[in-house]
Amino acid sequence: GIQVEQSPPDLILQEGANSTLRCNFSDSVNNLQWFHQNPWGQLINLFYIPSGTKQNGRLSATTVATERYSLLYISSSQTTDSGVYFCAVERGTGGFKTIFGAGTRLFVKA
Amino acid sequence: DTEVTQTPKHLVMGMTNKKSLKCEQHMGHRAMYWYKQKAKKPPELMFVYSYEKLSINESVPSRFSPECPNSSLLNLHLHALQPEDSALYLCASSQDLAGGRNEQFFGPGTRLTVL
Repeated sequence: GIQVEQSPPDLILQEGANSTLRCNFSDSVNNLQWFHQNPWGQLINLFYIPSGTKQNGRLSATTVATERYSLLYISSSQTTDSGVYFCAVERGTGGFKTIFGAGTRLFVKA
Repeated sequence: DTEVTQTPKHLVMGMTNKKSLKCEQHMGHRAMYWYKQKAKKPPELMFVYSYEKLSINESVPSRFSPECPNSSLLNLHLHALQPEDSALYLCASSQDLAGGRNEQFFGPGTRLTVL
């Protein structure tokens, strides 16, 4: 099946710093989403981005489908950005199964 | 309304109990999903319903029984669970399964503890 790898697994930032999270996937995909899971377990939609570039405030994302990776940029990080960031893909063939990467655990220090 | 709701928020049950988890959305979505998430792990897909029909069952044990009574509701019936089934159960919905309309929106989850 499709493999989804996220890096880095853990990240500690000082408030105000910028960061880039990466998601690599091993096969073509119909869908790619970035989520932020807060400490209470809620998965918050960040981007629906099977290809191209999108921006939303301090966050932006780029997916290069032909090279099978996506990047999530966080600028001017805030303590409220802490949590786990997941990349989730839906494979392009053989059904509609969604696979999550293992996540990047981010802690932003004040 | 872009909200998916789940009840209950927390559930503690014994291995001989029967209980149900409920999920509701009013976004007019026609695809609904159940995921299981263990601590410090990513969510894992369990079931997918499309237009009230079961589309995907990821080899989930029969002690978990999904039901989609209508396009807005999704239930997960639990029976004879094991302690290792303790997890966060997440529900999600999307417009449908087609590319471009399959952005998933998640509920807050039900934290299940099996004693």
